[in-house]
Amino acid sequence: GQSLEQPSEVTAVEGAIVQINCTYQTSGFYGLSWYQQHDGGAPTFLSYNALDGLEETGRFSSFLSRSDSYGYLLLQELQMKDSASYFCAVNTNAGKSTFGDGTTLTVKP
Amino acid sequence: DAGVIQSPRHEVTEMGQEVTLRCKPISGHNSLFWYRQTMMRGLELLIYFNNNVPIDDSGMPEDRFSAKMPNASFSTLKIQPSEPRDSAVYFCASSLEGRGYTFGSGTRLTVV
Repeated sequence: GQSLEQPSEVTAVEGAIVQINCTYQTSGFYGLSWYQQHDGGAPTFLSYNALDGLEETGRFSSFLSRSDSYGYLLLQELQMKDSASYFCAVNTNAGKSTFGDGTTLTVKP
Repeated sequence: DAGVIQSPRHEVTEMGQEVTLRCKPISGHNSLFWYRQTMMRGLELLIYFNNNVPIDDSGMPEDRFSAKMPNASFSTLKIQPSEPRDSAVYFCASSLEGRGYTFGSGTRLTVV
């Protein structure tokens, strides 16, 4: 089976940088995805890493190290609207994604 | 593109009743997923289809749950009979080649 670990809560102030880590154990690893979910909303796809390294999309970046079974989501220039839950998810050769329990990010003024 | 469309948005039903949730995936996406989200268990994959064929239904909790995908543009998740512990938000998601999922707005199911 698959297992993922990510912190349950993170707090930061507006304008700061925050990193949300994710470690995983799985067989048939294809890639690591990140999703954002606001209260009462649906998960929204942020990024996907299949290869080692950093992928940048605006204020958000995602990193993967396959050898360490580790990735992170980096959020820069934090804004109040970034307060949400963030999920990492492993995609496997079975064609499906298993989600972590999510990290609740609170951005304070 | 209207995205993944789910209906109904909210459903309140009595224990023992049949519940049918509906999903229209994004046109051209070849994979469709049904997830359930609760505070206690997080996001759980119930079943997924690839090219309309069920590939993995190991997450379906019990025989009371069934899912169908009669064509590329429509899927249903049925619970019969429903129980209070089935109360959750049910999400449908679709993807092309599995790299990133587009989720529908979800159906908030309450079984009383």
